[in-house]
Amino acid sequence: EIVMTQSPATLSVSPGERATLSCRASQSVSSNLAWYQQKPGQAPRLLIYGASTRATGIPARFSGSGSGTEFTLTISSLQSEDFAVYYCQQYNNWPPGAFGQGTKVEIK
Amino acid sequence: QVQLVQSGAEVKKPGASVKVSCKASGYTFTSYYMHWVRQAPGQGLEWMGIINPSGGSTSYAQKLQGRVTMTRDTSTSTVYMELSSLRSEDTAVYYCARDPSGSYLLDVWGKGTTVTVSS
Repeated sequence: EIVMTQSPATLSVSPGERATLSCRASQSVSSNLAWYQQKPGQAPRLLIYGASTRATGIPARFSGSGSGTEFTLTISSLQSEDFAVYYCQQYNNWPPGAFGQGTKVEIK
Repeated sequence: QVQLVQSGAEVKKPGASVKVSCKASGYTFTSYYMHWVRQAPGQGLEWMGIINPSGGSTSYAQKLQGRVTMTRDTSTSTVYMELSSLRSEDTAVYYCARDPSGSYLLDVWGKGTTVTVSS
């Protein structure tokens, strides 16, 4: 069974700074990796799919990279609305749709 | 615009069942798969299962097999998730989410339905 591991659990960043979030798969998921953003009290929102393709309406400050087992989500200049929890999800292997445990991006 | 509107919050006793609905609009209902994902308080996201609204075929997470049933009504563009033999650990927000290609990529989410299991 594939396991998705995100790091760090919490990331403290000042507005305007860059944030780098990591996601590791226990076995290769090719580029079948998505990132979601979830704000308190809201449903998750798709940010990135195919490891690096931004979903419709997602600002260019969000970028994704990686393939195989190592992936990164970068937020180039954090805005106030970007403070949230971010989840990675693989959609390549069983169990399908497995999510990482999340990284909380908080204001420093 | 594409919308997934879910039913309201539920409070159930242990051992009971709950049925949550998700009404789709703004797109062709039978052209997109639908998933259910749940989130216990303060926890991460847990995939529950998928339904193909076109033919009604389903696939469920192993840990929920035997307790979860997903169905659809094409006449009202609505999918349903029923969970039986409820226990306190099933207390969570339940989300439906659309999948554009059966790839388990979830591009549109409902706002969620809170289910509380308490005696």
